[in-house]
Amino acid sequence: AQSVAQPEDQVNVAEGNPLTVKCTYSVSGNPYLFWYVQYPNRGLQFLLKYITGDNLVKGSYGFEAEFKKSQTSFHLKKPSALVSDSALYFCAVRDRSGNTGKLIFGQGTTLQVKP
Amino acid sequence: KAGVTQTPRYLIKTRGQQVTLSCSPISGHRSVSWYQQTPGQGLQFLFEYFSETQRNKGNFPGRFSGRQFSNSRSEMNVSTLELGDSALYLCASSLGRTSGFNNEQFFGPGTRLTVL
Repeated sequence: AQSVAQPEDQVNVAEGNPLTVKCTYSVSGNPYLFWYVQYPNRGLQFLLKYITGDNLVKGSYGFEAEFKKSQTSFHLKKPSALVSDSALYFCAVRDRSGNTGKLIFGQGTTLQVKP
Repeated sequence: KAGVTQTPRYLIKTRGQQVTLSCSPISGHRSVSWYQQTPGQGLQFLFEYFSETQRNKGNFPGRFSGRQFSNSRSEMNVSTLELGDSALYLCASSLGRTSGFNNEQFFGPGTRLTVL
């Protein structure tokens, strides 16, 4: 079965410090991977995706993610965190089991950036 | 370009009632998916529609149903509501090209359903 795991429920970081939100996946074949962010009382906003090509993907708001096939990981990173980055982050993988665009989400990681 | 819109934003119902939620995708997007978000279960896939056809369905009881219209707008219906149906229901749209599924999905703000 295909799945995504976000091993940390919460990540705390000081403003200005680098941040990492972890994600590992389990899929058959090549994965299509996505990161989304959710602010309180809002829907999900797309940050970035990995489909193929360069393993380092750059996305919105200064975020980037590195695809590591050998470690089946797709960690989200930012060199310098902002208080406004505090939100709920979801990693997702496209379901490859059929002709579908269905996303399988991780359980989410709350990022808390303190001033 | 306008984003995905969902109506209503908030809804309060009682057990046994039924509810219909609406989603208007981004102009030009032909694929609409629905997800249920709860604190305990996280984000779970409900269904996916493309060109008025249900392409995929999640593991939900038959009380949950949906449809898509010729203008790509979609509705989902939940009949005989239960307390456990209280959740944020999110709609997402994408281009839905059949040549691949690398297109990101764009989510609406959601409908917060509370069942009393």
